[in-house]
Amino acid sequence: GAVVSQHPSRVICKSGTSVKIECRSLDFQATTMFWYRQFPKQSLMLMATSNEGSKATYEQGVEKDKFLINHASLTLSTLTVTSAHPEDSSFYICSAPVVFKGETQYFGPGTRLLVL
Amino acid sequence: AQKITQTQPGMFVQEKEAVTLDCTYDTSDPSYGLFWYKQPSSGEMIFLIYQGSYDQQNATEGRYSLNFQKARKSANLVISASQLGDSAMYFCAMREGIQGAQKLVFGQGTRLTINP
Repeated sequence: GAVVSQHPSRVICKSGTSVKIECRSLDFQATTMFWYRQFPKQSLMLMATSNEGSKATYEQGVEKDKFLINHASLTLSTLTVTSAHPEDSSFYICSAPVVFKGETQYFGPGTRLLVL
Repeated sequence: AQKITQTQPGMFVQEKEAVTLDCTYDTSDPSYGLFWYKQPSSGEMIFLIYQGSYDQQNATEGRYSLNFQKARKSANLVISASQLGDSAMYFCAMREGIQGAQKLVFGQGTRLTINP
């Protein structure tokens, strides 16, 4: 139980294109999910909190118009990187809290984005 | 101010030895949770262990135990009988507040290398 999936696992795109990343909770419902970004040899930095049925909450310094988040259902949140540039190349990873596992947050396997 | 501090960028340990990874935290919230995650080279974040601020006993999960020193605000991870497969990045994280649907703040991480 408590599995979070992400798709795609790896994506290469041209500068200026948009990329959508999906995060799904497979066997539980998640009214809240979190999106993190991790640059090489660095820690995870929270980008935004995705809320089912309402707008996402973005961390300071994260452009909401560039990183569009949609929490369409209790099991799906999507992150769209719009007009991607090489500096957006990073490892994007989502997480969801699991109530029946106490206070634990489980992470998806992550998406490696490379913008050429 | 840094909320989670991991002072060991890298650790090298002989196989079968025990290893302690340090983590200190800073919060004024009386309710918080502390987590340890393992991140192998694949990038996935693997949940290891959780300690709640009100938990009376130190958390244990198999070979993992958390040395929770509340007065010192430290939450060190102890891995007993280390194995080659334990080589990875290890992150300490904190959630402020009781509910699981609160964001995590991560430390800088410690790269653990187990030598045969």
